[in-house]
Amino acid sequence: EAQVTQNPRYLITVTGKKLTVTCSQNMNHEYMSWYRQDPGLGLRQIYYSMNVEVTDKGDVPEGYKVSRKEKRNFPLILESPSPNQTSLYFCASSLKTAAYEQYFGPGTRLTVT
Amino acid sequence: AQSVAQPEDQVNVAEGNPLTVKCTYSVSGNPYLFWYVQYPNRGLQFLLKYITGDNLVKGSYGFEAEFNKSQTSFHLKKPSALVSDSALYFCAVRDSGYSTLTFGKGTMLLVSP
Repeated sequence: EAQVTQNPRYLITVTGKKLTVTCSQNMNHEYMSWYRQDPGLGLRQIYYSMNVEVTDKGDVPEGYKVSRKEKRNFPLILESPSPNQTSLYFCASSLKTAAYEQYFGPGTRLTVT
Repeated sequence: AQSVAQPEDQVNVAEGNPLTVKCTYSVSGNPYLFWYVQYPNRGLQFLLKYITGDNLVKGSYGFEAEFNKSQTSFHLKKPSALVSDSALYFCAVRDSGYSTLTFGKGTMLLVSP
């Protein structure tokens, strides 16, 4: 089954404790992206990757890191989480950029206390 | 820069009636326009897209959208609403010269029996 998977689905952590949210897709997609969803703000893009070893900032990259060492994986790293990073995070992938629709993972609900 | 606006936080419609969810956009180049739907506790699902060609685009679950270049709009429509259509709907735009996807804040559609 074609899908985007994220782990963990739920995470409660404390300020400053480094964490990684994994994202994997099995569709051989070139483009992958991370979004955060906050009430009243919709989805905002954090980082995206157009292919292996190619990453770039989205609209809200501060406090986040990403890497793309393999085509299928695109982990999101919070090196020192803060309470304002409490949010619902989605990973997405598409065949390429521009005209292609994105496939979304199920989401990771992160709470930073 | 690119932006998208969904002017209604919520749309209420009775089952069997037609529905419209509004979306306007701003881009400097040619727009690629998308509609996604989010059911409770789920990721986003692709509904339809406009890239080029016919201004009326048909998508999943009986939804369609009309691209209007002069009004910079891409409203989502369905001739006869179902209770199961109740969900959060997002419009998104990508300028043909950009790699980022910008989402609106979302419109909650509530279909009453």
